[in-house]
Amino acid sequence: NAGVTQTPKFQVLKTGQSMTLQCAQDMNHNSMYWYRQDPGMGLRLIYYSASEGTTDKGEVPNGYNVSRLNKREFSLRLESAAPSQTSVYFCASSEITSYTFGSGTRLTVV
Amino acid sequence: RKEVEQDPGPFNVPEGATVAFNCTYSNSASQSFFWYRQDCRKEPKLLMSVYSSGNEDGRFTAQLNRASQYISLLIRDSKLSDSATYLCAVNIGGAQKLVFGQGTRLTINP
Repeated sequence: NAGVTQTPKFQVLKTGQSMTLQCAQDMNHNSMYWYRQDPGMGLRLIYYSASEGTTDKGEVPNGYNVSRLNKREFSLRLESAAPSQTSVYFCASSEITSYTFGSGTRLTVV
Repeated sequence: RKEVEQDPGPFNVPEGATVAFNCTYSNSASQSFFWYRQDCRKEPKLLMSVYSSGNEDGRFTAQLNRASQYISLLIRDSKLSDSATYLCAVNIGGAQKLVFGQGTRLTINP
């Protein structure tokens, strides 16, 4: 039972490049989330999807877009990466409010 | 004021000691409360939920004080393996999304 799977685990981008972070869950959860974690800042919500077909902005959505492709998959896209987006990105899914996190993507933008 | 605040520490305590952390939240409409544990370079994992009546799981006790708007985590007889960052999380205003504190770093010393 994989839980929440994120790809890639590591990525280095040049400023201005684009990329998509993938997330898939096999727990049949309705809700999915993207967080970023920076030193001293804790986890900050970027976007979330309460159910298939819906997405909403979180605390720090600027510079990101998301797609809830189906119930299993929720992707995060950086259209034009900036150094300020260097961070660790976590995807999570939940039923009620108990979250399961993916193992994270370490992104560096140079 | 941040919605959820924690003392970032670090807390350094000897093995066998008792240690306690608090986490304050600003929204009185918050419904659900959790403690997560995060090991270095890993994803957060649910440690325990926090109920109005408090709850205990082995050496760990979590309590909720609605009047003063804080939750606490007590670790008794601390072990070296308890070294980690402890994140509190609060469900704000009835939505499923969680707001996380910045985490409290704990190191247990032999």
